[in-house]
Amino acid sequence: AQKITQTQPGMFVQEKEAVTLDCTYDTSDPSYGLFWYKQPSSGEMIFLIYQGSYDQQNATEGRYSLNFQKARKSANLVISASQLGDSAMYFCAMSPRRGGSNYKLTFGKGTLLTVNP
Amino acid sequence: KAGVTQTPRYLIKTRGQQVTLSCSPISGHRSVSWYQQTPGQGLQFLFEYFSETQRNKGNFPGRFSGRQFSNSRSEMNVSTLELGDSALYLCASRPTGKAEAFFGQGTRLTVV
Repeated sequence: AQKITQTQPGMFVQEKEAVTLDCTYDTSDPSYGLFWYKQPSSGEMIFLIYQGSYDQQNATEGRYSLNFQKARKSANLVISASQLGDSAMYFCAMSPRRGGSNYKLTFGKGTLLTVNP
Repeated sequence: KAGVTQTPRYLIKTRGQQVTLSCSPISGHRSVSWYQQTPGQGLQFLFEYFSETQRNKGNFPGRFSGRQFSNSRSEMNVSTLELGDSALYLCASRPTGKAEAFFGQGTRLTVV
């Protein structure tokens, strides 16, 4: 079974500063994928970034980067230059690497990020 | 390219009734999965469909069912609604061979 742990229920950051959201995971699968999603108050789950377990480089997408440390089983999200619109709930998730008959996303409990002006 | 579309956005039902939610995936995506989100249990996987076949199922009672049509659109049905079924139901689609899933805006179901 796969498990995701997000230990920060809430985080505060000043506008234009960087922030790191923590995520640790546990799995016995040799190959897996790690994700971050953003959920504003409207409810839609917005895909931010993906990291495959065998990818050599850390994933980056614009202001988002995923700090993947395989030995420590961590997949922290770094948001650079925070903006007011970044205020939302952030979920870390994992899945089998490419799917197949056992594909599903397993989510953590989320971190509520508040960006202060 | 249009995103994942879920209808309706909001729904109020009475305990004991049944409900059907609809999801249209991103064009070309053949995999559709459903998730339930509640404050107490968080996000939980319901089931996944691929080419009209259910490939994986979460730990939910048989009152929760789904199907997928030949155009990849999917529906989920909940029968004999209970108060605890009140939740945000999210649908996601993903391209074949990829792990990244893209979600719709969700259907917020309230059971009274």
